[in-house]
Amino acid sequence: EAGVAQSPRYKIIEKRQSVAFWCNPISGHATLYWYQQILGQGPKLLIQFQNNGVVDDSQLPKDRFSAERLKGVDSTLKIQPAKLEDSAVYLCASSLAPRTGGNTEAFFGQGTRLTVV
Amino acid sequence: AQRVTQPEKLLSVFKGAPVELKCNYSYSGSPELFWYVQYSRQRLQLLLRHISRESIKGFTADLNKGETSFHLKKPFAQEEDSAMYYCALRGNYGQNFVFGPGTRLSVLP
Repeated sequence: EAGVAQSPRYKIIEKRQSVAFWCNPISGHATLYWYQQILGQGPKLLIQFQNNGVVDDSQLPKDRFSAERLKGVDSTLKIQPAKLEDSAVYLCASSLAPRTGGNTEAFFGQGTRLTVV
Repeated sequence: AQRVTQPEKLLSVFKGAPVELKCNYSYSGSPELFWYVQYSRQRLQLLLRHISRESIKGFTADLNKGETSFHLKKPFAQEEDSAMYYCALRGNYGQNFVFGPGTRLSVLP
């Protein structure tokens, strides 16, 4: 099966600029996650969608970060304005909905490496 | 609150030696535990999950609820096992995956 697709792979922007990342999950996966992975740390959840609804965005810095999944498939994550500390790899993952009886592991995309200068 | 700790940032072993990557968690219910691996220049991928109780690439992990641990073990390490390993927890209400900080395993020739 096709994996989780993310674009772009790399992005370099200046602080205070805006940036957007795109994710196409595995077909049929109702749950979509955006994680931020800072160098030397494990992935940290930014937002979790179930179809087009937000399940958990408690760790999303909402003054500058936003995400949407309007049709319950693709998703975009935006940062506006960017800060130096936003430099990280942004990972998108998808999984089947919980309690579907199947595997609920998360499948990850390659990530977008963001550098803010 | 869900939390995953991996006490070793870096673990170096010689080829053929046993390896154990430690993982401890805190969660009040019955979580799902996973080990994810990231090889150089590849995406994060599932290695194994405690529910399946299987051995993948010679690795096994047993969930110890008394000690709240899910250590990853392999009796004879291979050079191709060198990678970043992340322990992850998912709560029993479909919550998100909480990851530990990761352990870099380096298998020396």
